[in-house]
Amino acid sequence: GENVEQHPSTLSVQEGDSAVIKCTYSDSASNYFPWYKQELGKRPQLIIDIRSNVGEKKDQRIAVTLNKTAKHFSLHITETQPEDSAVYFCAVQEGNSGYSTLTFGKGTMLLVSP
Amino acid sequence: DGGITQSPKYLFRKEGQNVTLSCEQNLNHDAMYWYRQDPGQGLRLIYYSQIVNDFQKGDIAEGYSVSREKKESFPLTVTSAQKNPTAFYLCASSTSYGYTFGSGTRLTVV
Repeated sequence: GENVEQHPSTLSVQEGDSAVIKCTYSDSASNYFPWYKQELGKRPQLIIDIRSNVGEKKDQRIAVTLNKTAKHFSLHITETQPEDSAVYFCAVQEGNSGYSTLTFGKGTMLLVSP
Repeated sequence: DGGITQSPKYLFRKEGQNVTLSCEQNLNHDAMYWYRQDPGQGLRLIYYSQIVNDFQKGDIAEGYSVSREKKESFPLTVTSAQKNPTAFYLCASSTSYGYTFGSGTRLTVV
């Protein structure tokens, strides 16, 4: 099955700095790569996603890049704010339908200090 | 709750007891999933169902059971065979546009 590794496990930055979280995956057939943000005790919320036919996607301060050859993708957050503090999960999905399961990384705890 | 309702929010189980976690969705999604979350472990797949009356084991199905008698409902039973059930349980449903998660049930063994 798919194996997803996520680094770092914790990340501390100062407000206004950039943060980068990286994930690698094992199955070259995987083609959908979402990122979720989870605040303490709450459900994961999708913040950005990318499909395998795209190399980069941006939404305001958040961007995701995908390198299919190297089988890794990254989340970039610019101009970080204290409300960005949360746990971030990458995930990988095989197949072309919404019925395929997601395999998650173990998460990165991001702490943004004022 | 974004179209997926999990209940209860908190659940306490005694040793040797079976408990059932509820998951209901009104999004008309065919696929539904159960994930378990432990600190530092991410989300691990327990069971999933792509259609009514059919479901498949995920990576950590031992000690759990599910049913899918209705499209809207996908309850999870934590049996006494699950030796370490204390965790946060998340239900989700999906279309080709992505997953929607419920708000979770925190299960504690007492």
